[in-house]
Amino acid sequence: GAVVSQHPSRVICKSGTSVKIECRSLDFQATTMFWYRQFPKQSLMLMATSNEGSKATYEQGVEKDKFLINHASLTLSTLTVTSAHPEDSSFYICSARGLAVSFADTQYFGPGTRLTVL
Amino acid sequence: ELKVEQNPLFLSMQEGKNYTIYCNYSTTSDRLYWYRQDPGKSLESLFVLLSNGAVKQEGRLMASLDTKARLSTLHITAAVHDLSATYFCAVDMSRTSYDKVIFGPGTSLSVIP
Repeated sequence: GAVVSQHPSRVICKSGTSVKIECRSLDFQATTMFWYRQFPKQSLMLMATSNEGSKATYEQGVEKDKFLINHASLTLSTLTVTSAHPEDSSFYICSARGLAVSFADTQYFGPGTRLTVL
Repeated sequence: ELKVEQNPLFLSMQEGKNYTIYCNYSTTSDRLYWYRQDPGKSLESLFVLLSNGAVKQEGRLMASLDTKARLSTLHITAAVHDLSATYFCAVDMSRTSYDKVIFGPGTSLSVIP
């Protein structure tokens, strides 16, 4: 099956610092990667959609200058939370949709990154 | 704007009982997914429903999709404690002009002895 990894799994940082989260598709090429945020006891909210080599498409209300997304290759997307504040503390989950037909029917989710901003 | 609703949001059921979780959505889509999430964990894919009338079963769970009614159901048969988790349905818009998947609010299931 398709595997998506995220790194780090957990990060604690001070307010004002920037944090980078990596999302990798390990055994397939991903045309599209998605970044979600989940607050405690809430659903997943789509933040942005990224396609390899092009600018990410952000959902309404998500600050693109604060949440920088780079999709440098068909297997790697990164999310950088710039100047993080306590309200950015959340569970960030990425997912990937495959290039090949066998991986295109659904999204494959990473294990998530728990960000805590002090 | 696409809306995805789930009913109920909270469900407490006894072991051995049957129950159905409903997922309604507001716009045309023929792809819907069900996921399970345990506390502190990411999502586990349960079912991928790709067409009208699709029905899939795995163990004590069965999912169906009616695209005309814009309704999917997740039926639980003879619940056991291990099924306690939060269940999300998600509607795939990738065949429209929006390549995105929108999640429902989730149903928190607690199976009690």
